[in-house]
Amino acid sequence: EVQLLESGGGLVQPGGSLRLSCAASGFTFSSYAMTWVRQAPGKGPEWVSAISASGGSTYYPDSVKGRFTISRDNSKSTLYLQMDSLRAEDTAVYYCAKALFGTGTAPYDYWGQGTLVTVSS
Amino acid sequence: EIVLTQSPAILSLSPGERATLSCRASQSVSSNLAWYQQKPGQAPRLLIYDASKRATGIPARFSGSGSGTDFTLTISSLEPEDFAVYYCQQRSNWPLTFGGGTKVEIK
Repeated sequence: EVQLLESGGGLVQPGGSLRLSCAASGFTFSSYAMTWVRQAPGKGPEWVSAISASGGSTYYPDSVKGRFTISRDNSKSTLYLQMDSLRAEDTAVYYCAKALFGTGTAPYDYWGQGTLVTVSS
Repeated sequence: EIVLTQSPAILSLSPGERATLSCRASQSVSSNLAWYQQKPGQAPRLLIYDASKRATGIPARFSGSGSGTDFTLTISSLEPEDFAVYYCQQRSNWPLTFGGGTKVEIK
């Protein structure tokens, strides 16, 4: 059974940093691209970052480029999201998700339960 | 950035009725479009990918159609568990984008 378990969310002050983790199990982690998607309260999903299966390619929207860094440790089947210079508008539930195909970075067939990040003073 | 516009924002229907949801892209995404269902407090669930292919375990009452800029998700006969919010997502261009959602509510 595929499982994705996020951790690391919490309350952080504007300008602060947080590192999210996503522990994966039930599939060959190193064979699939992974992604982070966030959802602010009452809003639709927003794609935040993606990483190829090998970790050699990463992708970001302009809203987080230069502030967020996605990475993975295939030996530990774990995905990470380092978030720096956090802003109030980064407040959201953050989901990690697995790409459906071995190649390509979307769509996503398995999602974690999400971890809440709140940026507030 | 490709903008996905979903309509209607809210669809009020009764169980057993047919639901037709629309997703329009600001430029062509070919067939690189997926549909997700989301219920309160849950993560999105993949329903349809590549515009018309059902994901594993998705009932046949869900179908997708379209290509280019206009896409449709059809639920042939609504079951009680289908009342939820539905989102489309494109993977044709970076950044990947989602639509604003259509809420299917019980009439």
